[in-house]
Amino acid sequence: EPEVTQTPSHQVTQMGQEVILRCVPISNHLYFYWYRQILGQKVEFLVSFYNNEISEKSEIFDDQFSVERPDGSNFTLKIRSTKLEDSAMYFCASSPFSSGKANEQFFGPGTRLTVL
Amino acid sequence: KQEVTQIPAALSVPEGENLVLNCSFTDSAIYNLQWFRQDPGKGLTSLLLIQSSQREQTSGRLNASLDKSSGRSTLYIAASQPGDSATYLCAVGIQGAQKLVFGQGTRLTINP
Repeated sequence: EPEVTQTPSHQVTQMGQEVILRCVPISNHLYFYWYRQILGQKVEFLVSFYNNEISEKSEIFDDQFSVERPDGSNFTLKIRSTKLEDSAMYFCASSPFSSGKANEQFFGPGTRLTVL
Repeated sequence: KQEVTQIPAALSVPEGENLVLNCSFTDSAIYNLQWFRQDPGKGLTSLLLIQSSQREQTSGRLNASLDKSSGRSTLYIAASQPGDSATYLCAVGIQGAQKLVFGQGTRLTINP
């Protein structure tokens, strides 16, 4: 069964460093998302991406964050200058497009980001 | 702003019991509602998706209902098993936006 994959599973970085989290969505899906979950807190939406552009972003997704689909299969989240409060589990998700109907989102296993 | 609340925060029951997990949301303008399972330190596994026009969905021992007008959904688990132990998350799809808003989850423990 197709699944969303994410690499790395765990990333440790120093405060102020740039990180890139990578995701391979399900191959025939057209909507892509990033969410994060700070330990002990709710899963929070960061950004959605469709047709090579951001379709929606949250107030968390400031200028330090960017997303890209560099090669038609990967979907990346970049954090330019990490802060301690960026430590969280980051989930990638994808969903198929179906006109007039909101679709099921499928989540990857997550990347645990630890900022020291 | 949509808020999603799940009650109870934690539940512990003996194996074999039928149980109900509750989810409430403040804004009835939703596209859909999804129930997920999350094992410790792991990703989210989609269990059921209910479109806003539907009243319920069933998958095996799981049945989810949706009452949009009252802002409620329930997840019914029949004949619970120790393998059902996990955190169950409810998430609503926002009308006019491509995103999910999550509840804080119910941590379920099934005791053998």
